[in-house]
Amino acid sequence: EAGVTQFPSHSVIEKGQTVTLRCDPISGHDNLYWYRRVMGKEIKFLLHFVKESKQDESGMPNNRFLAERTGGTYSTLKVQPAELEDSGVYFCASSQELARNTIYFGEGSWLTVV
Amino acid sequence: KNQVEQSPQSLIILEGKNCTLQCNYTVSPFSNLRWYKQDTGRGPVSLTIMTFSENTKSNGRYTATLDADTKQSSLHITASQLSDSASYICVVSARAGKSTFGDGTTLTVKP
Repeated sequence: EAGVTQFPSHSVIEKGQTVTLRCDPISGHDNLYWYRRVMGKEIKFLLHFVKESKQDESGMPNNRFLAERTGGTYSTLKVQPAELEDSGVYFCASSQELARNTIYFGEGSWLTVV
Repeated sequence: KNQVEQSPQSLIILEGKNCTLQCNYTVSPFSNLRWYKQDTGRGPVSLTIMTFSENTKSNGRYTATLDADTKQSSLHITASQLSDSASYICVVSARAGKSTFGDGTTLTVKP
């Protein structure tokens, strides 16, 4: 069974440019999460989808970040325009149900804004 | 504010030795606590998951404990191997589903 896959694995862009990260959750997982780890800090929650609906987007830092999950399958996280402080690792994760099920993480998309 | 604190921040042990990592949390209302292992450059991989009623959970050489009264958890690694070198992250989830991550403990196992 395929795990959570993320693309691209690494990305280097200039300040002001746009980057779109993609996440394909494990098939059948309704819950999809985005997290990020910026330099030297802990992993922080960004938002949570249940199917195509945004269940919780309280962790989104500002309106330069836009997440979508059209059709309830894969999700995209767009950063526009990117700033230097957006550099970090963006993790996507998925799970079947909330309480007892393991949350499976992707390998992360490493973003560097220069 | 929900918080998860892990200690020590880093740890170096010799191959074959045991070690224990600590996690204290203030997340409420508590749903579950997970320990993840994250190898350098990789995504976190789940080791254990415990709910309120579970005191201990094992996964091979990894044993996690949970004291819901004192809001503390530990991860004990037995007979460490070089491949155990990684960051170990404690993640506590509230009932609404939102997870709070600890900073992680970086473990280095030396031959």
